[in-house]
Amino acid sequence: DTGVSQNPRHKITKRGQNVTFRCDPISEHNRLYWYRQTLGQGPEFLTYFQNEAQLEKSRLLSDRFSAERPKGSFSTLEIQRTEQGDSAMYLCASSLEGGGNEAFFGQGTRLTVV
Amino acid sequence: GQNIDQPTEMTATEGAIVQINCTYQTSGFNGLFWYQQHAGEAPTFLSYNVLDGLEEKGRFSSFLSRSKGYSYLLLKELQMKDSASYLCAVRGDGGATNKLIFGTGTLLAVQP
Repeated sequence: DTGVSQNPRHKITKRGQNVTFRCDPISEHNRLYWYRQTLGQGPEFLTYFQNEAQLEKSRLLSDRFSAERPKGSFSTLEIQRTEQGDSAMYLCASSLEGGGNEAFFGQGTRLTVV
Repeated sequence: GQNIDQPTEMTATEGAIVQINCTYQTSGFNGLFWYQQHAGEAPTFLSYNVLDGLEEKGRFSSFLSRSKGYSYLLLKELQMKDSASYLCAVRGDGGATNKLIFGTGTLLAVQP
């Protein structure tokens, strides 16, 4: 297994456009997380799946953000009507079930909204 | 509410020892993690504590006191490659709160 894979690595989009990012977790991991990180800050939690069920979504996440994990494997994160404030690194992580299992992060998708 | 505090920046000398502190206040506790993140890269796992005490792993050790809501990461025999951001993260209770909540990170600069 090559670890958590995210595509694309970089995305530049115009304000108002929709963007979609993909995350392929480590194959046996049933938990998948999306985080957003801006320069000088720690990762900020966005949402979390266990298998195909979306168990939690941050209150900071507006209705323009939606995430899916239809078959409990890969996940997509869509941002509609992008704004300049959405510019950030979007990180995906996966883990096994169980409190002591660490999350493995992908390399992230860097979004720039111009 | 949930709050994780760690110093913003630290500087240390190659070969020395540095301790990075983390205090937390969370609605539940199911373990504390330390991650290392080099600039432009993904965070990578360093250590995990769920019981009080010290966990040692090579040059890195991590300590936890649940009653005090306190942890530290100890780095020994510092090397230049240890220059990175160190992230403290707490996992909440079971059920729907298994997410990791991260602090802002401590940027460590190792000088010759």
